Amino acid sequence: GAGVSQSPSNKVTEKGKDVELRCDPISGHTALYWYRQSLGQGLEFLIYFQGNSAPDKSGLPSDRFSAERTGGSVSTLTIQRTQQEDSAVYLCASSVKFNVLYTGELFFGEGSRLTVL
Amino acid sequence: GQQLNQSPQSMFIQEGEDVSMNCTSSSIFNTWLWYKQDPGEGPVLLIALYKAGELTSNGRLTAQFGITRKDSFLNISASIPSDVGIYFCAGLAIGGGADGLTFGKGTHLIIQP
Repeated sequence: GAGVSQSPSNKVTEKGKDVELRCDPISGHTALYWYRQSLGQGLEFLIYFQGNSAPDKSGLPSDRFSAERTGGSVSTLTIQRTQQEDSAVYLCASSVKFNVLYTGELFFGEGSRLTVL
Repeated sequence: GQQLNQSPQSMFIQEGEDVSMNCTSSSIFNTWLWYKQDPGEGPVLLIALYKAGELTSNGRLTAQFGITRKDSFLNISASIPSDVGIYFCAGLAIGGGADGLTFGKGTHLIIQP
């Protein structure tokens, strides 16, 4: 498709299990972002990638969270030993970024809704 | 880090009414953006503002980049049912954390029949 694709769209897991969330950005977009949105709340920045490198990991809530991006394209967000407070919608976005031509326009996927029982 | 104060947090209005929401910050931004999130979807960009004092319209939407570069407002005229959703402001400051982009906490717009 032409947009940002995320999978799974819904994931229910038991506390303590690991989960992987996948993001396939728009082709040619160099920057990729992960945000977390708790029920009815705002957007919490987690991490962003420029190419395959992550210049800013400051938003990751704990060392249980990690992310990688390979080939400048697909990214996975991994949450180890999930806790109930990890329940949220995880949004991925991508953008075109060429130095000063970065406009701040992000293209978001529909999100992965994670429920930890 | 930089923070945006977005208000109101929620609005309950009647169809046909005009809507106004705003964002303020103690920091200067180079760009202000307004996004809308429909239920079950990701946010979508509505309007981007690149110059202090700039006033931009997109159909029934009008947004302004404050002259001090520390605030922005979004107006929606003659609201319709499909305007329901969460509206986020965002400020872009080159070189800042989160790749320079800071989001407000959102304004929930609810239209009562």
